[in-house]
Amino acid sequence: DSGVTQTPKHLITATGQRVTLRCSPRSGDLSVYWYQQSLDQGLQFLIQYYNGEERAKGNILERFSAQQFPDLHSELNLSSLELGDSALYFCASSGPGTSERSYNEQFFGPGTRLTVL
Amino acid sequence: AQSVTQLGSHVSVSEGALVLLRCNYSSSVPPYLFWYVQYPNQGLQLLLKYTSAATLVKGINGFEAEFKKSETSFHLTKPSAHMSDAAEYFCAVSWRETSGSRLTFGEGTQLTVNP
Repeated sequence: DSGVTQTPKHLITATGQRVTLRCSPRSGDLSVYWYQQSLDQGLQFLIQYYNGEERAKGNILERFSAQQFPDLHSELNLSSLELGDSALYFCASSGPGTSERSYNEQFFGPGTRLTVL
Repeated sequence: AQSVTQLGSHVSVSEGALVLLRCNYSSSVPPYLFWYVQYPNQGLQLLLKYTSAATLVKGINGFEAEFKKSETSFHLTKPSAHMSDAAEYFCAVSWRETSGSRLTFGEGTQLTVNP
């Protein structure tokens, strides 16, 4: 158990719909990352938040957005869903990076499997 | 642009045999390097990491990896494969930032262990 929780575990929805994925980081971690794992694209970084602020953006579609709340949990919003959005979405968290032990080590949640029909 | 290449999308070994999973990175600046393992229907678990200390890194479950700057490689090895090692393995790189940094993953290598 990494200490990172994600809900829901599975999500089945239809094209055109909107969904929200939730992530709670490990206690004390300030950074939250979102990744997408799909068969054709592999594991791709989507976006990073640090203490409530967006810090880095990867291959995130304009239809997708995220935020990190004051309690540090994060939500990934996916809208106007397409069949190709079906994937496993991972959240990861990492500490503030003040020591070698916590630097850059990301702890992954179990993922949310999204199926778009 | 920084990238990671894993040679061989599928590797098959016999139980007790040496496991060698290859990873090469492309970067002008030495990165931090990681190996993650993913078991079916599970998240990613960190096996080991290189963060500019010793070049030979020991991880969990008997795995180790060696950072070779001249070859820009970070291959993962295990002397003797076990059936429980069957999983998908991902090599990843990141660069040091005070607020954390993204991971760039290789395509993954599916390891099969035959009895």
